[in-house]
Amino acid sequence: DAKTTQPTSMDCAEGRAANLPCNHSTISGNEYVYWYRQIHSQGPQYIIHGLKNNETNEMASLIITEDRKSSTLILPHATLRDTAVYYCIVRVPNSGYALNFGKGTSLLVTP
Amino acid sequence: GAVVSQHPSWVICKSGTSVKIECRSLDFQATTMFWYRQFPKQSLMLMATSNEGSKATYEQGVEKDKFLINHASLTLSTLTVTSAHPEDSSFYICSEFGPFSYNEQFFGPGTRLTVL
Repeated sequence: DAKTTQPTSMDCAEGRAANLPCNHSTISGNEYVYWYRQIHSQGPQYIIHGLKNNETNEMASLIITEDRKSSTLILPHATLRDTAVYYCIVRVPNSGYALNFGKGTSLLVTP
Repeated sequence: GAVVSQHPSWVICKSGTSVKIECRSLDFQATTMFWYRQFPKQSLMLMATSNEGSKATYEQGVEKDKFLINHASLTLSTLTVTSAHPEDSSFYICSEFGPFSYNEQFFGPGTRLTVL
């Protein structure tokens, strides 16, 4: 899996968009970008994944730069329940191997 | 998706005793499950890969004789922490892939182990 770099922590006001960056400059052509989050004392939860096109689902949007060396997870209207640690993971899809978690970004959504 | 449960959700035990943690796949048969542990303020660390009907594959540095994994059925994997010590106190989480692809990994709610 390619190495990723994320800020240690971020703050966001409730109702505003939360933009979480991730650098993955060594990503290879067949690797996807995955995002998971972990709310305190719970198991991680899948959010979204993508290869090169922007992706959107009911939880978030994923913007991947054209050179694929970085990406941004966007929570369009953050709520207090979005306070969690967000993990950006780069890997080959459908590999069958377990996810390797880095340190992630601790997002605090404030009232 | 997939639903994964763990039991117990938390356990406190005395040093030297053994503790068994169960991980169940509730809505489909999982041939592979993963076990992670997470120390306070740290990320998840993969401990082992549990394969139904065969021996688990342990990550480097994880003692297989201390952390016994049994995956006897397609819906149940167990992790037994033998002769637990305070340094084994951690948050243990199991996971599995969904029924249709390896793109999404589903996690249990975790088990908080405290060894006194």
